[in-house]
Amino acid sequence: DAGITQSPRHKVTETGTPVTLRCHQTENHRYMYWYRQDPGHGLRLIHYSYGVKDTDKGEVSDGYSVSRSKTEDFLLTLESATSSQTSVYFCAISWTGANTEAFFGQGTRLTVV
Amino acid sequence: SQQGEEDPQALSIQEGENATMNCSYKTSINNLQWYRQNSGRGLVHLILIRSNEREKHSGRLRVTLDTSKKSSSLLITASRAADTASYFCATDASDTGGFKTIFGAGTRLFVKA
Repeated sequence: DAGITQSPRHKVTETGTPVTLRCHQTENHRYMYWYRQDPGHGLRLIHYSYGVKDTDKGEVSDGYSVSRSKTEDFLLTLESATSSQTSVYFCAISWTGANTEAFFGQGTRLTVV
Repeated sequence: SQQGEEDPQALSIQEGENATMNCSYKTSINNLQWYRQNSGRGLVHLILIRSNEREKHSGRLRVTLDTSKKSSSLLITASRAADTASYFCATDASDTGGFKTIFGAGTRLFVKA
């Protein structure tokens, strides 16, 4: 795997609590992405970053925020977790954006109870 | 709504047969990519085809792109049990500045030994 580490790999949390997922890369790629994967929906883009402190919304950004203070780290925060946010979350990186291949982390399985 | 949609949703074939998966998308693109996901794992990039290309090969993979019909196909020849996975198309949606990669819902391929 192309130097991408997601943490934690599994998490169970209670409704209403804040949750932060971390994506760490060692590849010095400029672009970083957070997706969620749910049955029947494939991968849906939550937020992405095109540089340090440069982020933008994806298709399903409501209830999520992100931060990127360093090239290597991209954090996804669920401000107040809901059961609808139970999902598998994937981080991806790419060198020059959507015109090159993306490399994916192993995923974080989040369960909100 | 998602940019790319794969068809069929699921496909079951015998080892040695060819597998064809189709992808349709909605807006103009600069490129289209295909990814594979083994169960419980992150996505792995297979091939990228640019909007000015019509066909591309990589080993047993053949990808075609028809921009007039906004569609692409992925052909896996002489399939093997190890090809069992989900396959996703992804596009860049040229009106997003080339930053976002948007995925379809995927085709689940099962190759019987």
